[in-house]
Amino acid sequence: EPEVTQTPSHQVTQMGQEVILRCVPISNHLYFYWYRQILGQKVEFLVSFYNNEISEKSEIFDDQFSVERPDGSNFTLKIRSTKLEDSAMYFCASSGGPGGAGEQYFGPGTRLTVT
Amino acid sequence: GQNIDQPTEMTATEGAIVQINCTYQTSGFNGLFWYQQHAGEAPTFLSYNVLDGLEEKGRFSSFLSRSKGYSYLLLKELQMKDSASYLCAVRADYGGSQGNLIFGKGTKLSVKP
Repeated sequence: EPEVTQTPSHQVTQMGQEVILRCVPISNHLYFYWYRQILGQKVEFLVSFYNNEISEKSEIFDDQFSVERPDGSNFTLKIRSTKLEDSAMYFCASSGGPGGAGEQYFGPGTRLTVT
Repeated sequence: GQNIDQPTEMTATEGAIVQINCTYQTSGFNGLFWYQQHAGEAPTFLSYNVLDGLEEKGRFSSFLSRSKGYSYLLLKELQMKDSASYLCAVRADYGGSQGNLIFGKGTKLSVKP
């Protein structure tokens, strides 16, 4: 069964450093998303991406964040100048295969720890 | 504002039936989703409702009342592996079927032998 994959599974970085989180969405999906979940809290939407551009973004997704689809398979989230409060699980999701309700399928997540 | 409420925790017995409620107040509505999330793992899709009524899928059923801003997830014949958090999520825009999801805080279900 097709699935969303993410790398790395765990990333430790120092405050102020830049990180790039990588995702490979399901191959026939057209819509891509990033969410984050701070430990013990709810899943929060960051950004959605369609047709090589951002379609929606939340208040969390400020100038510190950027997304890119550098080739036909990868979807990346870059966080510049990381802060302690960026520590969270970051989930990539995709949707938009043939038919369906637009349900979003989540990758296993990248746990980002900022020290 | 966007608000999705669900109970924080529930406990049930193996083999029993449990109902997890969700109420929502959002600026728009274009579908309600239920996801299961085991600790430390990603949410996995369980069910989707966009029209009023009951959707059944094996041991899981989900109900929606749009006029009341209310949904529930019904789990039958509970198994130990059903111990997880259950997340209610609303797609709040009307821009087609691909808008972002707004999640509740989740209901942590513990299934006891």
